[in-house]
Amino acid sequence: GDSVTQTEGQVALSEEDFLTIHCNYSASGYPALFWYVQYPGEGPQFLFRASRDKEKGSSRGFEATYDKGTTSFHLRKASVQESDSAVYYCALGDRSNYNVLYFGSGTKLTVEP
Amino acid sequence: GPKVLQIPSHQIIDMGQMVTLNCDPVSNHLYFYWYKQILGQQMEFLVNFYNGKVMEKSKLFKDQFSVERPDGSYFTLKIQPTALEDSAVYFCASSLPDNYAEQFFGPGTRLTVL
Repeated sequence: GDSVTQTEGQVALSEEDFLTIHCNYSASGYPALFWYVQYPGEGPQFLFRASRDKEKGSSRGFEATYDKGTTSFHLRKASVQESDSAVYYCALGDRSNYNVLYFGSGTKLTVEP
Repeated sequence: GPKVLQIPSHQIIDMGQMVTLNCDPVSNHLYFYWYKQILGQQMEFLVNFYNGKVMEKSKLFKDQFSVERPDGSYFTLKIQPTALEDSAVYFCASSLPDNYAEQFFGPGTRLTVL
């Protein structure tokens, strides 16, 4: 079945560091890919999506490019801030399955001032 | 922005009892979802619901689970009877019916089955 793999369980950075969180997917069809962010005590919030190969999604300085060749959708940010500390989830959306989302295991980002 | 509310935020019940989790979705949304997250594990899809019907459900959506949204009120997840392995945080989400639509999530209900 469809699945998403996030290799980093936790990432610790200092402010202004460059961020990369890796996301790889496995799908039988042509899914959409999403990034969601979750702050303590809240549900996940949509960050952005991409629905076709080579499309770049971006929001709040974060970006990721859909790469069908490497089945990846890595999240990057050039300069992180302490307020970016949260859990980041990569997700795969199956259009043929009524928008069901398949989430990765999440990456907890901690940014020190 | 639009908010999804979930009631209650915490629920503790004894195994075998019935529990109903309530979700107040975004007002103009038509798709509704439940996801389950066991502590330390990833969030997993349970079920989605549109136009009064279950459209898709996962193998986690056992026979003891049911969902409904009577007359546009709360979207509910009922578990009857509960089991120990039902202890988790349950997230409700809603969206417009467009393909790949953004899902708006509630803050979750933490269910503890003793």
